[in-house]
Amino acid sequence: AQSVTQLGSHVSVSEGALVLLRCNYSSSVPPYLFWYVQYPNQGLQLLLKYTSAATLVKGINGFEAEFKKSETSFHLTKPSAHMSDAAEYFCAVSLYNQGGKLIFGQGTELSVKP
Amino acid sequence: EAGVTQFPSHSVIEKGQTVTLRCDPISGHDNLYWYRRVMGKEIKFLLHFVKESKQDESGMPNNRFLAERTGGTYSTLKVQPAELEDSGVYFCASSQGIGRGAYEQYFGPGTRLTVT
Repeated sequence: AQSVTQLGSHVSVSEGALVLLRCNYSSSVPPYLFWYVQYPNQGLQLLLKYTSAATLVKGINGFEAEFKKSETSFHLTKPSAHMSDAAEYFCAVSLYNQGGKLIFGQGTELSVKP
Repeated sequence: EAGVTQFPSHSVIEKGQTVTLRCDPISGHDNLYWYRRVMGKEIKFLLHFVKESKQDESGMPNNRFLAERTGGTYSTLKVQPAELEDSGVYFCASSQGIGRGAYEQYFGPGTRLTVT
């Protein structure tokens, strides 16, 4: 069965610093991979997704992620953090033959210090 | 275009009572999903509707949970009777397309359920 592990339930960075949120997955077949973000009192919003095309995926708000099959990873990065990036981030996986249901990681709370 | 809406936003009930959560998906979206996040845990899949049919209900915890999707539009999730461990945030999501799992799911803001 597939699973997702996000390393670090809380990550704190300074404004302008690199953001790196880690995600590793376990799947017996090539998965689809997603990063979602949840701002306070809002629903989850899709940042980006990997669907077996380019391994480097660019998303909204300057975020990107790279699919590395050999490392079973899909880490999320942003070169320069903004205060508005403070939120909770979720990595998720789905399989093409399972109706699209998402399997989520535990979530990572990102704090941005001025 | 209106997003996914959920009602109520918060619900506090006593153990043994019944609660019904409602989700209105984006118009035209055939797929509707329910998820739940218990405090401190990951978001977990509950079930998936395609139009009015239950496609996958493998994540439903037990028979105290009943989900319906009337006419392939809005959906309700009833918990009867509620137990303390049912507390958490219940999310609804919808998407277009059938079959492959790459379609973006649009999430509602969630219903925070507290069972006391």
